[in-house]
Amino acid sequence: QKEVEQNSGPLSVPEGAIASLNCTYSDRGSQSFFWYRQYSGKSPELIMFIYSNGDKEDGRFTAQLNKASQYVSLLIRDSQPSDSATYLCAGYTGTASKLTFGTGTRLQVTL
Amino acid sequence: DTEVTQTPKHLVMGMTNKKSLKCEQHMGHRAMYWYKQKAKKPPELMFVYSYEKLSINESVPSRFSPECPNSSLLNLHLHALQPEDSALYLCASSQVPGRPRETQYFGPGTRLLVL
Repeated sequence: QKEVEQNSGPLSVPEGAIASLNCTYSDRGSQSFFWYRQYSGKSPELIMFIYSNGDKEDGRFTAQLNKASQYVSLLIRDSQPSDSATYLCAGYTGTASKLTFGTGTRLQVTL
Repeated sequence: DTEVTQTPKHLVMGMTNKKSLKCEQHMGHRAMYWYKQKAKKPPELMFVYSYEKLSINESVPSRFSPECPNSSLLNLHLHALQPEDSALYLCASSQVPGRPRETQYFGPGTRLLVL
């Protein structure tokens, strides 16, 4: 079992809709999770981080963490074509210095 | 300011060449990382430097040689690479090594092509 798992997609949503991206993890001791956005050919850009159970909102983005279910999600409200990218979920699993990435979910926002 | 810079942006090298990738940050971060990313794959950790000392080497072949001359600079020396080493090489930094809540900030990467 991979330590951090994501559905590779593509996830296609119409402009203005809510995009829901999901991630599960296997290490129950993992404390913190990060969502990075990566445009094709570019480097990962931090969108949000979350440490505590529950929701964390920042503008159009909401991260959710459920430690009991070992589940992390990212909601993007009012999706825009510029949100089309690969979204990487990452968490510190095992070694605190080692950030483990999921395979990424490709999001396509259609006009 | 969360800027990590990397040079060069692109690099083409032959299998017998020696080249170096450079990474710089001026945020006072004490952990620096090298990642390798192949197309349509997530970043794979190669090396971690904590307080200028190598703390993690993810069994990377010796043709990749990291160096951390000071707290702001990280180099990756390349020698006798193979075509399969062609990838995007990413540098990242975080404030304090070893804390499980540290945000890693990525540089723009160096796109490497080995012929």
